[in-house]
Formats: sequence, structure tokens, C-alpha cells
Amino acid sequence: QKEVEQDPGPLSVPEGAIVSLNCTYSNSAFQYFMWYRQYSRKGPELLMYTYSSGNKEDGRFTAQVDKSSKYISLFIRDSQPSDSATYLCAMSDLYNRDDKIIFGKGTRLHILP
Amino acid sequence: SAVISQKPSRDICQRGTSLTIQCQVDSQVTMMFWYRQQPGQSLTLIATANQGSEATYESGFVIDKFPISRPNLTFSTLTVSNMSPEDSSIYLCSASTGGVTEAFFGQGTRLTVV
Repeated sequence: QKEVEQDPGPLSVPEGAIVSLNCTYSNSAFQYFMWYRQYSRKGPELLMYTYSSGNKEDGRFTAQVDKSSKYISLFIRDSQPSDSATYLCAMSDLYNRDDKIIFGKGTRLHILP
Repeated sequence: SAVISQKPSRDICQRGTSLTIQCQVDSQVTMMFWYRQQPGQSLTLIATANQGSEATYESGFVIDKFPISRPNLTFSTLTVSNMSPEDSSIYLCSASTGGVTEAFFGQGTRLTVV
């Protein structure tokens, strides 16, 4: 079993819809949970992160962590065509002294105008 | 936030040759990393580039194949040696000023080996 599982998609939704992106993980030591956005032919950029459990909201984006289920989600409200990108979940553990990050495969998202 | 410039942005190379990718950060950083991103695969860490000493390689990656240099706090190079078509991938440089939530990436080098 891979440490981080993420459905690669593609996921196509109409503009204005709520998007739900998800990842599961196996390492219970993970404490930092991050979402990166990667546009075509660009490097990933950090969208938001949470530490341990709970929710975090930033504008149209909400990140949720359920450590009991080892499941994390990213919700995008009022989706826009500019949100079309690949979204990568990423995680790191509390005892990581080398700043190592484990990434999911990424989900390709298409917002249809 | 700091900016990473990565060169070249893309290249097509003959098998058996080597390519050196440069990564320049516009400010001093604590950590620098090299990743590989293959189609349909996770972003995979190749190695951590250590300033003034040998890089720390992840399982499955060796120095002879991917020699790395980091002569100072803003610059690193990754060489892909004796290339084969299986090395065709996107190679990404990443840097951090401290902590996993401070990591940022270059735009990547798209390598095709023919």
C-alpha cells in the first residue's frame, strides 16, 4: 500500500459547482497536510495546509483532515475555469527532521465554462 | 516569497548522454531538493542537496546516476547521467526556508530522451 493515495482523475465539473478532492494515507505519524496546485508546465505551488486534525478555510478553499479515517479533503466552492489545474495532496510527519514531503499522484481538475 | 529559476526548461537528449539542470534561488534557503515527476506518478524525491557536502539520496536513486552539487545557499545542480528513455520525466527543484510548509518549487525541466 502506498503511503498516500489520490485518484488521478481527470475530474470535470461545470463552473460554479463545488469540487471535492480527496486523499487517503497510511502513515499515522503524518501531522502536516498540504494541498498544492500545479498549472500545466509550471511547478507546484502551496495552496494551503493544516496541522493535525480539523478544518481550515481560505476564501473559496476549505481543507479538512480526518485523522481517525486517515482521509483528507480539499473543497473548492464556486469553482472557476481558472481553478483548472492538477491538485496534489502532500504530507509530512511530526518527526521529520529533513523536511521530507510525501506527495499523492495529483488529481487533474477541469472546470467547464 | 522567494523565486526559483530552473534551467533548461526543456530539452531533448540522446540516450547515453548527460544533462545538467541548474536551480537558482533569488535568496538564501535552508534546504534544497530535487524531485522527479513522471506521468501518472507521484512527485518523487530524488535527493536532498546539502550545502558543501554530498547529497542525501532516497531509496532507488544513486549518486552515479544523479550527481548533485550545492556549492552555496542559493544554487544547486542535478545531472542526469548516461540517460535512457526511462529517464524522460519532469525534474523539479524545490527549496525551503524552514519547515515543510515553507517549501516552494521551480517551474521544472521537461526532459525527453530519444
